[in-house]
Amino acid sequence: AQSVTQPDIHITVSEGASLELRCNYSYGATPYLFWYVQSPGQGLQLLLKYFSGDTLVQGIKGFEAEFKRSQSSFNLRKPSVHWSDAAEYFCAVGSSGGSYIPTFGRGTSLIVHP
Amino acid sequence: DVKVTQSSRYLVKRTGEKVFLECVQDMDHENMFWYRQDPGLGLRLIYFSYDVKMKEKGDIPEGYSVSREKKERFSLILESASTNQTSMYLCASSSLVRARSDNQPQHFGDGTRLSIL
Repeated sequence: AQSVTQPDIHITVSEGASLELRCNYSYGATPYLFWYVQSPGQGLQLLLKYFSGDTLVQGIKGFEAEFKRSQSSFNLRKPSVHWSDAAEYFCAVGSSGGSYIPTFGRGTSLIVHP
Repeated sequence: DVKVTQSSRYLVKRTGEKVFLECVQDMDHENMFWYRQDPGLGLRLIYFSYDVKMKEKGDIPEGYSVSREKKERFSLILESASTNQTSMYLCASSSLVRARSDNQPQHFGDGTRLSIL
């Protein structure tokens, strides 16, 4: 069965600092990977996705993520965080063939200090 | 642009009431999902549907049912609401792309925050 681990429940950064949110997955074949962001009181919005090809994926709002098969990781990065990036971030993995239901991590809450 | 609309942002109901949460999508998506979100537990799948009148149980279906009479609408029903069903409920949809093994991203509504008193 597939699973997703987001090791950090909360992350605090200063505005302007760089950010890396960790995501580790467990899946036998090549996974389909997603990062979503949830602003307070809102639903989830897709930031970026990885299906195949280039392992460095660019997303919206200046985010990027790198797929590392050897480490079973898909970490989300941003070079300079803005106060508006404060939100909950979810990593998800989808399977190939048979099931189109993604498995979500429990989320990482990003706090941005001025 | 893609739009998933949930009928209520906030809802307050009493224990024992029958509660309906409605979700409509305008993207002609085949797949629709209902999740509940609780602090520290992430998203948990209640039910999903991959076609009209089709439904499948998710991880936590107890106390819930669903209805999908039209492609664009997916309703979640709490047959007899209880206080432990107080939560944020999220609806999502996704398209069916057979060549890609169905792994299209989900589109979410803004959620319904349901309180059962």
